[in-house]
Parts: sequence; C-alpha cells; structure tokens
Amino acid sequence: QVQLQESGPGLVKPSETLSLTCSVSGYSITSGYYWGWIRQPPGKGLEWIESIYYSGSTFYNPSLKSRVTVSVDTTKNQLSLKLRSVTAADTAVYYCARAYCVTTSCYTFDYWGQGALVTVSS
Amino acid sequence: QSVLTQPPSVSAAPGQKVTISCSGSNFNIGNNYVCWYQQLPGTAPKLLIYDNNKRPSGIPDRFSGSKSGTSATLGITGLQTGDEGDYYCGTWDNSMSASYVFGTGTKVTVL
Repeated sequence: QVQLQESGPGLVKPSETLSLTCSVSGYSITSGYYWGWIRQPPGKGLEWIESIYYSGSTFYNPSLKSRVTVSVDTTKNQLSLKLRSVTAADTAVYYCARAYCVTTSCYTFDYWGQGALVTVSS
Repeated sequence: QSVLTQPPSVSAAPGQKVTISCSGSNFNIGNNYVCWYQQLPGTAPKLLIYDNNKRPSGIPDRFSGSKSGTSATLGITGLQTGDEGDYYCGTWDNSMSASYVFGTGTKVTVL
C-alpha cells in the first residue's frame, strides 16, 4: 500500500523559507509516477504547486515557480519542497501526492499524504 | 480564482441522489481528463473518479462521473451521512499559464 507522510516545521517566519519533506513507503519513487505538492489554505480550496519525476523533470504552477524548489532523493525515497520568501498568504496545509502525468500534462493524484499545517507568522 | 466553477453547496436526504457540476472551458475540461476528489472533514483529499468516469479500486459504484463538452458532473446515489464533505474536480489547463487546476469545491450536506 502506497503511503506518504509530510514532515517539517509547523511555524515559519515571514520572508523565510518553508521546507517540507514527504516520505514515501510501499512504493519506489523511481517506479514510473510523478510526485506532487498541493496546498490548501485554512477554509479554502486546493492549489497545485508542482509535480516532479525522479529524473528531475517537472510540471510547475507558473504563479509559484519563482519561489518554489521541488526535488527528490531516490536514496531515501523522499521528495522535498522549499518555498522562499513566505508571507501569511502561504499559511496552508501542504499535501504531497502521487501524480499520474504524461508528456504534456498531469491528470490524477491518486495517493495523498495526511497533510502538514504550516503557519507563517512572526 | 479557479478556472473551474462548482456550486458552493448541494444537499439531499439520506438515500437520495446529488449531482455536482464542474464548468470549465476548451482549455481544460474540453480537452483533458477530469478527476473528482472527496475531502471529508479534517482529512486529506481522496481520489473518487479519474479519466472522467473511472473509479479507483475500493470506490463504490454509488459514485459516478461524466463529461460533456466543457463540463463534468459527479453523481452520488444512495446518499449516506458519511458522504458529507467537500468535493473538488480537477484537470489540466492548457492556457498560457499551463497548470493543474482544481475546482472551487462543493460542500455536500446530508439533511
């Protein structure tokens, strides 16, 4: 059974960098799927951030790309998210998920982590 | 502001049927597969429907999906109290800012 678990600091100061890790178990991240990050501000809807293949190929959200770095560590079966220069608007639950993507687009997020709440506040 | 529009809420009595619409354009729904996700209170989203109308293993056939033109629809029959939560459509958007987009979300209430 594919399982994903997000981890990282729950509180980040404004202008600093938000860093999260997603640990994947029950499936190798090198086995043919992309892996993505999605966030959800409290009481609001879902926003896709980026999806990455283990080779480094990515699909990204243009509205966030300038502040986002997503990477994979195949030795640890993990992916990570860094979001720079955060503001209160970046306060959200951050989810990692397995993504089905083809050459030009992504279609499905079929397995999700439980989510990690990150609050941006001084 | 999402490019996929859903009704804010729908409701029905237990055992009844609800439908949730997802309206988009030829940049997204019209030319891409649609998914539906269920988010029960306090939990992560869960994939309900993929490729417009396919159910992942373990999803009961009370849930169905369809697509016509630039709109998609999720149907839930035999409504149960455990179905209360938020439902989101999702698909790829091929506009200038190509990205995966989610719908605005619909809250399902079982009366």
